[in-house]
Amino acid sequence: QQQVKQSPQSLIVQKGGISIINCAYENTAFDYFPWYQQFPGKGPALLIAIRPDVSEKKEGRFTISFNKSAKQFSLHIMDSQPGDSATYFCAAEGARGALYNDKVIFGPGTSLSVIP
Amino acid sequence: NAGVTQTPKFRILKIGQSMTLQCTQDMNHNYMYWYRQDPGMGLKLIYYSVGAGITDKGEVPNGYNVSRSTTEDFPLRLELAAPSQTSVYFCASRRQGAQFKEKLFFGSGTQLSVL
Repeated sequence: QQQVKQSPQSLIVQKGGISIINCAYENTAFDYFPWYQQFPGKGPALLIAIRPDVSEKKEGRFTISFNKSAKQFSLHIMDSQPGDSATYFCAAEGARGALYNDKVIFGPGTSLSVIP
Repeated sequence: NAGVTQTPKFRILKIGQSMTLQCTQDMNHNYMYWYRQDPGMGLKLIYYSVGAGITDKGEVPNGYNVSRSTTEDFPLRLELAAPSQTSVYFCASRRQGAQFKEKLFFGSGTQLSVL
């Protein structure tokens, strides 16, 4: 059973376009939602993260939108560049003292290709 | 700083063989994790440790064992290798306390094939 669902599995975007990746979760024990970026042959690295007490977080061209009532969150990459081509994972973590506090549960990943 | 170091980078095993994947970190992180990555499945947590001497199961622990005798090292043991264990394995670590938790730092992975 996939604790964190993610779509699409793959995405092709033209340079300069907007890339959108969506994630959803069921368990309300999660209270921290990071996104990790992975280039081929490398381990994942943290890109941006959000807590559910805010609806949006922006860092440069990357924005997370969060809908607590729907238990959904998404990553938007503005002005997508070929260098953004990578696999993106959403993830979920639990609150202190709660189930999943010590664990980081990942979605299945989205392979993004940005074409010139 | 080397960060999180995994060895070996590649390995081919025969069915039934055993091996240990090594992971060491030099950042004095208390939490360490083992994940496996399969195409279309994302990263699945195998085992994790919140400190030396303390380990716990993740989402997919069957067929694996771990130990944590020091803060730095967190080896993953495969006792009887099966084709289903063909995967890329990632070790990760971070600092976490009662009032904070930091991001995960990942190693560069071990690609394992069981034939």
